Amino acid sequence: GIQVEQSPPDLILQEGANSTLRCNFSDSVNNLQWFHQNPWGQLINLFYIPSGTKQNGRLSATTVATERYSLLYISSSQTTDSGVYFCASTLTGGGNKLTFGTGTQLKVEL
Amino acid sequence: NAGVTQTPKFQVLKTGQSMTLQCAQDMNHEYMSWYRQDPGMGLRLIHYSVGAGITDQGEVPNGYNVSRSTTEDFPLRLLSAAPSQTSVYFCASSYEVGGLGGYTFGSGTRLTVV
Repeated sequence: GIQVEQSPPDLILQEGANSTLRCNFSDSVNNLQWFHQNPWGQLINLFYIPSGTKQNGRLSATTVATERYSLLYISSSQTTDSGVYFCASTLTGGGNKLTFGTGTQLKVEL
Repeated sequence: NAGVTQTPKFQVLKTGQSMTLQCAQDMNHEYMSWYRQDPGMGLRLIHYSVGAGITDQGEVPNGYNVSRSTTEDFPLRLLSAAPSQTSVYFCASSYEVGGLGGYTFGSGTRLTVV
């Protein structure tokens, strides 16, 4: 299966700061997605982004499929952004198995 | 409310006991899956289904069974619980197999096997 590496593993920000989270894949992938797991454990789908760039409020994501990576940008961070951010994808041609990275633990402080 | 419903939220089992984790969705999603989440290991796929009557194994299927008799329900059965199955279990669904449109996750079941 594919290997999914996320960096950094941990991140502490002051409220209002910007950050970039990275996701690298070992093989060609499609159906790349970003998730946020809040401190109560709930997983929320942020972006479905197999390629290109999407924006949703203060969050945006870019996937460069040919270079096997994706980036999640958080601007003007807020304490409610705290939690774990996961990227996940399926292997091209391997359709059904969504593989997750180990996540980036983000804490936003006042 | 539309979404994925998991029950129970918490469960403690003794080694060797069996139980079923329930998962139901009301979004008419064809694709459903079960994950377990362990500290430092992200989410790992246990079993998945691409439609009623069709199931397949994921990354860590041993010790678990599934069935998909209806589009709405996808229960996960632990046959003989072991301490290694202590974990948080998530059920997820999506409209299409590849997750087009995104996945919806249930709120999770925290299972402890003693």
